[in-house]
Amino acid sequence: EIVLTQSPGTLSASPGERATLSCRASQSVGGNNLAWYQQKSGQGPRLLIYDASNRAAGIPDRFSGSGSGTDFTLTINRLGPDDFAVYYCQQYDSLPRTFGQGTKVEV
Amino acid sequence: EVYLVESGGGTVQPGSSLRLSCSASGFTFYNYWVAWVRQAPGKGLEWVGSIDQHDNEKYYVDSVQGRFILSRDNADRSLYLQMNHLRAEDTAIYYCVRDTFGVFDSWGQGTLVTVSS
Repeated sequence: EIVLTQSPGTLSASPGERATLSCRASQSVGGNNLAWYQQKSGQGPRLLIYDASNRAAGIPDRFSGSGSGTDFTLTINRLGPDDFAVYYCQQYDSLPRTFGQGTKVEV
Repeated sequence: EVYLVESGGGTVQPGSSLRLSCSASGFTFYNYWVAWVRQAPGKGLEWVGSIDQHDNEKYYVDSVQGRFILSRDNADRSLYLQMNHLRAEDTAIYYCVRDTFGVFDSWGQGTLVTVSS
């Protein structure tokens, strides 16, 4: 099983700043089969990024993903008021599908 | 637009059974894998299982293998999760998701299952 570890657990930032979130895998994630999701309080998650760096439909370009192998990053440029949420990474290279424990981005 | 609407959650006693349903619309249901992902109160996301387009291939997380059963009805555009021998640790919001080659690209709002005596 691929274990994903996200850091930091909580990120404090201000609107307009850049946020950098990390996701580290216990073994290499083949094909860069890694996704990022955003979850706001009381809502179901929303897909942001797939294949490590491709934005999902309708996702603004201030969200970007990068990385390969075991180290992946989600960058949010110019944090907007709507971006304060919890972010999860997920690998789909192998079964079971696994998620990181989440990073909360707070004001 | 893709819509996934879950139902069937509730409060049950340990050892009992419950069946969740998910009604899909806005996409060609029979062309897609679908899955369930759960979230315990205040915790992170956990993949429960995925089912292929034809109700042939099914995969489960180890913790539910042998207790939970995935099924689907393409004519009805519905996904089901039969949960047996429920445990306190199965308490969670259960999300129905569209599974596109392992990417969970659309999510429902979830249905809450509480297992408590």
